[in-house]
Amino acid sequence: DQQVKQNSPSLSVQEGRISILNCDYTNSMFDYFLWYKKYPAEGPTFLISISSIKDKNEDGRFTVFLNKSAKHLSLHIVPSQPGDSAVYFCAASALGTGGFKTIFGAGTRLFVKA
Amino acid sequence: DVKVTQSSRYLVKRTGEKVFLECVQDMDHENMFWYRQDPGLGLRLIYFSYDVKMKEKGDIPEGYSVSREKKERFSLILESASTNQTSMYLCASRPRLKGLELFFGSGTQLSVL
Repeated sequence: DQQVKQNSPSLSVQEGRISILNCDYTNSMFDYFLWYKKYPAEGPTFLISISSIKDKNEDGRFTVFLNKSAKHLSLHIVPSQPGDSAVYFCAASALGTGGFKTIFGAGTRLFVKA
Repeated sequence: DVKVTQSSRYLVKRTGEKVFLECVQDMDHENMFWYRQDPGLGLRLIYFSYDVKMKEKGDIPEGYSVSREKKERFSLILESASTNQTSMYLCASRPRLKGLELFFGSGTQLSVL
């Protein structure tokens, strides 16, 4: 049973427009949520995170929104650029014995068209 | 910059072979992780280690084992490789008390024939 779900396998957006990537989770014990970006033939790289006590975190063109009651988060990219084309993974972390365990979603492939 | 190095980029093995995937990090991180990435399934946690000689099972440990004899090195072992273990394997590390960001290696694409 997937605890972190990204229901859209792919998303296509025009350059300069907003990209919205969505993520749902089932475990209310998650404390932190993170977004990673992955280019082909490279490992994922950290993009932005949000604590469960906040509802928004912004870093340049990237903003993450968290709706705890709906167990939903989203990543907004404004404006989208062709270099943003990649696979985006949503991840959630919960504290367990020995430290935090991170669970990933299936990923959403973003295509930004020039 | 943190560097996580996985020893092989591509690996082709036969069914039944014992396979070792090696991962080394250079930032003195306590925590190390092995994930596999499959289309439509994302990254799934196989095993993780919070310190030397410590290991814990992730979500899909069956068919795998790990070894952490030194802090900088975390090895994933496929005791008897099977075709359903064909996948992209990603190693990651993280400091125990400083943030939640995982630092990933570039991955090893393993094909079991």
